[in-house]
Amino acid sequence: AQKITQTQPGMFVQEKEAVTLDCTYDTSDPSYGLFWYKQPSSGEMIFLIYQGSYDQQNATEGRYSLNFQKARKSANLVISASQLGDSAMYFCAMRGSGAGSYQLTFGKGTKLSVIP
Amino acid sequence: DTGVSQDPRHKITKRGQNVTFRCDPISEHNRLYWYRQTLGQGPEFLTYFQNEAQLEKSRLLSDRFSAERPKGSFSTLEIQRTEQGDSAMYLCASSRQGPGLEKLFFGSGTQLSVL
Repeated sequence: AQKITQTQPGMFVQEKEAVTLDCTYDTSDPSYGLFWYKQPSSGEMIFLIYQGSYDQQNATEGRYSLNFQKARKSANLVISASQLGDSAMYFCAMRGSGAGSYQLTFGKGTKLSVIP
Repeated sequence: DTGVSQDPRHKITKRGQNVTFRCDPISEHNRLYWYRQTLGQGPEFLTYFQNEAQLEKSRLLSDRFSAERPKGSFSTLEIQRTEQGDSAMYLCASSRQGPGLEKLFFGSGTQLSVL
């Protein structure tokens, strides 16, 4: 079984500052993928960034980077230079390599509020 | 590329009624997923189609739930004899099978309220 834990129900960040959203995971699969999605109030889940368990370098996508620490089973999302439009729910998710590997397992999410 | 479309956006129904939701995936995507999201939670997997074949159903999907994708294009999710516990956001996602990272594209969901 796979499990994603997001321990921050809500976070505040000043506009133009950086913020880190925490994510820890648990799985017995030898290879897996970790995802971050953004869900604005419109409801649509927007893909942000992906990290494979065997990737040597941390993933980056524009202002988003993933701080992947495999030994600690953490995959924190770092958003640099926060913008007002970054205010949304953020979900960490994982996909394993065993049975049911097409399923994404999501955490409970973190609500990010960007303050002007 | 018009994105994943879901209809209706909102549905209010009385307990015991049947409801049906529709999902139109991105046209070249052969994989389609249904997820359910309740308040304060992340989405939970319900079912998965590859083309017209339903390859997996979650234990969350009781006998009152049925999903179809008759021609491998759009999909419908029907809930019979709705219960108040069925109130949730129902999200559809699609993806294209191929080499490399499979990226899921989600629709905006159908918000179901059972009174």
